[in-house]
Amino acid sequence: GAVVSQHPSRVICKSGTSVKIECRSLDFQATTMFWYRQFPKQSLMLMATSNEGSKATYEQGVEKDKFLINHASLTLSTLTVTSAHPEDSSFYICSASHREAGTGVYYEQYFGPGTRLTVT
Amino acid sequence: KNQVEQSPQSLIILEGKNCTLQCNYTVSPFSNLRWYKQDTGRGPVSLTIMTFSENTKSNGRYTATLDADTKQSSLHITASQLSDSASYICVVSGSVLSKLSFGAGTTVTVRA
Repeated sequence: GAVVSQHPSRVICKSGTSVKIECRSLDFQATTMFWYRQFPKQSLMLMATSNEGSKATYEQGVEKDKFLINHASLTLSTLTVTSAHPEDSSFYICSASHREAGTGVYYEQYFGPGTRLTVT
Repeated sequence: KNQVEQSPQSLIILEGKNCTLQCNYTVSPFSNLRWYKQDTGRGPVSLTIMTFSENTKSNGRYTATLDADTKQSSLHITASQLSDSASYICVVSGSVLSKLSFGAGTTVTVRA
């Protein structure tokens, strides 16, 4: 299957600082990348959908000014948590997919290994 | 309300034994159902994907079943190994254009 990487795998930052997480599709071109957040013992929760070259679509309740998403190329999307607070501490997972032009059909979503963010 | 419910929440089994995990969903329309394995601190890895017309699909010691009429699926793990210890997540897609609906997962612990 396709490989999706995330960097860093874990990060600790101080409250009020910003943190950038990278998501890369290593062996295919991802027209769409998804960002999820997962709290302990809970489901993955979709935060936003990011299409290459356009603005991300955020889920209800997710602050777009706090979670900045950029998808500038077919292999890279970034999530920046701005002015992080302890409640932003979580496991952030991205997934990458290819959406067929015309039909809009998504192919399989391939998940990255996740990034553990701890805000102190 | 979560449209994908999994049971049990967790279970412990002895190495070499079998176990079955359950998934009930209310997502409609239905496109496909996937089972993922998520190791602690890692991203989910796909085990099986089944569409409406598929009743069963196997991947090694993992066998998934699907009853689209009753909206139920199961994942059977045969001859469990210590490496099977993980969270198993049931994920349903309502249509080929829709977002995925995730279950909360079943945490499986295999003990020697």
